[in-house]
Amino acid sequence: GENVEQHPSTLSVQEGDSAVIKCTYSDSASNYFPWYKQELGKRPQLIIDIRSNVGEKKDQRIAVTLNKTAKHFSLHITETQPEDSAVYFCAASPFYNTNAGKSTFGDGTTLTVKP
Amino acid sequence: DAMVIQNPRYQVTQFGKPVTLSCSQTLNHNVMYWYQQKSSQAPKLLFHYYDKDFNNEADTPDNFQSRRPNTSFCFLDIRSPGLGDAAMYLCATSKTGRANEQFFGPGTRLTVL
Repeated sequence: GENVEQHPSTLSVQEGDSAVIKCTYSDSASNYFPWYKQELGKRPQLIIDIRSNVGEKKDQRIAVTLNKTAKHFSLHITETQPEDSAVYFCAASPFYNTNAGKSTFGDGTTLTVKP
Repeated sequence: DAMVIQNPRYQVTQFGKPVTLSCSQTLNHNVMYWYQQKSSQAPKLLFHYYDKDFNNEADTPDNFQSRRPNTSFCFLDIRSPGLGDAAMYLCATSKTGRANEQFFGPGTRLTVL
């Protein structure tokens, strides 16, 4: 099955700096890579995703890059703000012949943005 | 607003006493998932339904079962909760199941005494 590794497990940055979180996956059949943000005590929520037919996607201060050859993808947050502090999970979803797809999650990165 | 709802938000049970957690959705999504999330860990998939087709993860304990009586509702039954089952249980839905965004409910925090 799919195996997703996420690094670093914790990340502390100063407000205004950039933050980068990296993930690798093992299943070459994976074609969908979402990133979820989970604030303390709240549900995970999708912040950005990328499909295997593109190499980069950007949404305001957040961007995701994908290297299918190397099987890794990264989350980039620029101009970080204290409200960006949360746990971030990457995930990979292989395409199966069955209709039910599943996402395998990385172990999460706790991002702390210091004011 | 369309959403995923979980009840109760907090559940306290005794060791060995069966408990049922519920999830409902107004999104009309085909797929419903149940995850177990322990503190500072990633959500761990227990099982999921594509419509009425049930898919169990290989390492999901037999102690955990699920029912989906209709599109909108899904239940997680823990037959004999142990101390190790204390966790946040998250329900999620997705539109087709094939590489699409998952929408999570707020979770049920289960405490086992």
